[in-house]
Amino acid sequence: GQNIDQPTEMTATEGAIVQINCTYQTSGFNGLFWYQQHAGEAPTFLSYNVLDGLEEKGRFSSFLSRSKGYSYLLLKELQMKDSASYLCAVSDSNYQLIWGAGTKLIIKP
Amino acid sequence: IAGITQAPTSQILAAGRRMTLRCTQDMRHNAMYWYRQDLGLGLRLIHYSNTAGTTGKGEVPDGYSVSRANTDDFPLTLASAVPSQTSVYFCASSLDRGASEQYFGPGTRLTVT
Repeated sequence: GQNIDQPTEMTATEGAIVQINCTYQTSGFNGLFWYQQHAGEAPTFLSYNVLDGLEEKGRFSSFLSRSKGYSYLLLKELQMKDSASYLCAVSDSNYQLIWGAGTKLIIKP
Repeated sequence: IAGITQAPTSQILAAGRRMTLRCTQDMRHNAMYWYRQDLGLGLRLIHYSNTAGTTGKGEVPDGYSVSRANTDDFPLTLASAVPSQTSVYFCASSLDRGASEQYFGPGTRLTVT
């Protein structure tokens, strides 16, 4: 079966750095997405990786290792508004997105 | 309209009733999707449409139907609602079904009693 694993919940301090991991097992691979979802709102796109390596976009970076079936989202200089759930999703061989259950990130002052 | 809209925002529905959730996008995206999101589970694909006039089944299609008569609209119908269909429903669209980002509507919170 297809599976996406990510931690259920993480806590970090304002101003710090946090890394959210995602491991996957899917039938085929056509890229990995990270989305942010604030409570009661819709998911919004953060990043897309299809090749190995690090993609940096402001305070957020995303890393991919296809051989290890692994990705992480790195958030720097954490702000209170970063409190949200972070969803990892993999596009499989049919271009269908397989979603993880999400990681709830709690930021403390 | 800017982006993707859904209606209603929330609904309480008696079991056995028929219900249509509406979704409209103005981005001229080819692909559209319906997901349900339940606590502790990832988003699960119900149905999708690669382009106007075509639809396909996702991971959890039973009890739901869709149509795609034009590019903009993608309604989801529950023919006879059951309590297990209580969920938050998100409609999404993307430029195509390839590796392009999906844009989500604000969601419909449905409670079936």
